[in-house]
Amino acid sequence: RKEVEQDPGPFNVPEGATVAFNCTYSNSASQSFFWYRQDCRKEPKLLMSVYSSGNEDGRFTAQLNRASQYISLLIRDSKLSDSATYLCVVIYSGAGSYQLTFGKGTKLSVIP
Amino acid sequence: IAGITQAPTSQILAAGRRMTLRCTQDMRHNAMYWYRQDLGLGLRLIHYSNTAGTTGKGEVPDGYSVSRANTDDFPLTLASAVPSQTSVYFCASSPSFLFSPLHFGNGTRLTVT
Repeated sequence: RKEVEQDPGPFNVPEGATVAFNCTYSNSASQSFFWYRQDCRKEPKLLMSVYSSGNEDGRFTAQLNRASQYISLLIRDSKLSDSATYLCVVIYSGAGSYQLTFGKGTKLSVIP
Repeated sequence: IAGITQAPTSQILAAGRRMTLRCTQDMRHNAMYWYRQDLGLGLRLIHYSNTAGTTGKGEVPDGYSVSRANTDDFPLTLASAVPSQTSVYFCASSPSFLFSPLHFGNGTRLTVT
């Protein structure tokens, strides 16, 4: 099993739709989680951190499911400007080891 | 404006040539990283530095070297470029080495011919 996996998509959704992405991770001791957004030919930019209790930022909701080892990103009322690739990041540190792993990303296209 | 600056933005390089990609940050972040991004392979860590004066190898370090003489600068050198090093290179930094999110530079698009 790969360390961090994402459905590459593309997810093609109409404006106003709700869309959700998952990111699974293999190391059950992973401690920190983030979602990034990357536009075509641009650098990744931090979208939001993922907290154990779940967190929301406007139309975006991030959740962590430790039992099933995945994080999710929910986008409500999709906008054309949400079209991008969404990357998850999983961090593990312990026993002298440190690992920060990016998923390969899920591509979202919001269609008029 | 605080952030990370990479130079050059793009470069075409003949195989066998030496090249240094520059990265400077003014956020006083302790940790810095170099990634390459290739289609279908995602972001892969080349080298990192958790504080000035120390460096470490990432997932794909072969053919690359780095130095961290001070907090702000983290250059990446290709001693003798090969076509497989054609990629987009991103420098990133974070306040600490553990748990804090990364901030990325704009990237350097390198083509080795």
